[in-house]
Amino acid sequence: DIQLTQSPSSLSASVGDRVTITCRASQNIDNYLNWYQQKAGKAPKFLIYAASNLLSGVPSRFSGSGSGTDFTLTISSLQPEDFATYYCQQSYSSPGFTFGPGTKVDMK
Amino acid sequence: QLQLQESGPGLVKPSETLSLTCTVSRSSIVSVGYHWNWIRQQPGKGLEWIGNIYYSGSTNYNPSFRSRATMSVDMSQNQISLHLSSVTAADTAVYFCAKHFSDYVVIDSWGQGILVTVSS
Repeated sequence: DIQLTQSPSSLSASVGDRVTITCRASQNIDNYLNWYQQKAGKAPKFLIYAASNLLSGVPSRFSGSGSGTDFTLTISSLQPEDFATYYCQQSYSSPGFTFGPGTKVDMK
Repeated sequence: QLQLQESGPGLVKPSETLSLTCTVSRSSIVSVGYHWNWIRQQPGKGLEWIGNIYYSGSTNYNPSFRSRATMSVDMSQNQISLHLSSVTAADTAVYFCAKHFSDYVVIDSWGQGILVTVSS
């Protein structure tokens, strides 16, 4: 089983801040790492696939990097609509997959 | 734009079987490369993949659910279903139906989710 950890589990930030979230896999997953955003009471929204590729329509302030076991999601300038919980997801074991525990970004 | 809609009872008794249906609209379940997933979220918790199914009937399950979960496809109704047996209070969750494509498991379409409470 591939396990994912995320850090921090939560963070407080202000509009305009640069935010970085880390996801670590328990084994090498190459670039099979995706990122999602979930707002309270809503279904998750897909952001980034294959570690660093933005899905069409995702704002360019979102970026992803990493390979192997360590990955990051960066929001270059936090906007009001970005306050949410962010999940990483590994698909190395496709078509099965697992999610990380999530990182909640709230307002400072 | 593909749409997914979960339906089923919102309350299930302990030890019984939870049965949910996901109706796909504006697309066909028989679409090459599309995999249909059930994902759940317990109150205040993270996302947990239950399993997925291809239109051919081929299934993959999270080992944590393999003994209790059964998924099936109804091509005539453009629906997928989930049956989860022997439920307990720990199965209380919002259950999402979702579609992915690609080996990278790009989950780009989600239903709104349905809250299922397990209680006597």
